[in-house]
Amino acid sequence: QQQVKQSPQSLIVQKGGISIINCAYENTAFDYFPWYQQFPGKGPALLIAIRPDVSEKKEGRFTISFNKSAKQFSLHIMDSQPGDSATYFCAALDGQNFVFGPGTRLSVLP
Amino acid sequence: DGGITQSPKYLFRKEGQNVTLSCEQNLNHDAMYWYRQDPGQGLRLIYYSQIVNDFQKGDIAEGYSVSREKKESFPLTVTSAQKNPTAFYLCASSQTGGLRRQYFGPGTRLTVT
Repeated sequence: QQQVKQSPQSLIVQKGGISIINCAYENTAFDYFPWYQQFPGKGPALLIAIRPDVSEKKEGRFTISFNKSAKQFSLHIMDSQPGDSATYFCAALDGQNFVFGPGTRLSVLP
Repeated sequence: DGGITQSPKYLFRKEGQNVTLSCEQNLNHDAMYWYRQDPGQGLRLIYYSQIVNDFQKGDIAEGYSVSREKKESFPLTVTSAQKNPTAFYLCASSQTGGLRRQYFGPGTRLTVT
């Protein structure tokens, strides 16, 4: 029940395209859902986050869509750029600790 | 310049030796965390601390130990009991209330041979 599932495992997108990464959870006690971006050899950095009382949040080219009834949330990267090539992790907070998805490796082709 | 520092960036040890990884934060965060990341995998929680002098085991605490004597410091010791210690270790911190935005350090890559 503590697991956060994430798909796809890897994603290849052309420059200018839309990248979509999906996550799903079971624990209804989760109350905060961040997305992290990680470049090779670096620590993850918070990209964008959402609370379950909001269905969508947008920051620049990055949008989180949240479906509370389906217990799913997704990250959309609009106008994807080669510089967006990284591994993306979704996560969920259960009050004390963060549970992370396994990650999606995104490659944006020039 | 606020943030989390981890040292060293790369660490090499012989099998059977204990090794301590440093983590320091100047963000005045109450909570600190240690994660392990293996190639192509997500982050697994080793230990976490919500307050000074208190810490709890995470999902994979066996073979690891921590201390939290100061708010800004949360060192992790990888003991010889850890069967497969070679990994990328990440330290993080956050507030304990509100949105709990979590900040990560740059990581330490430990190689044990």
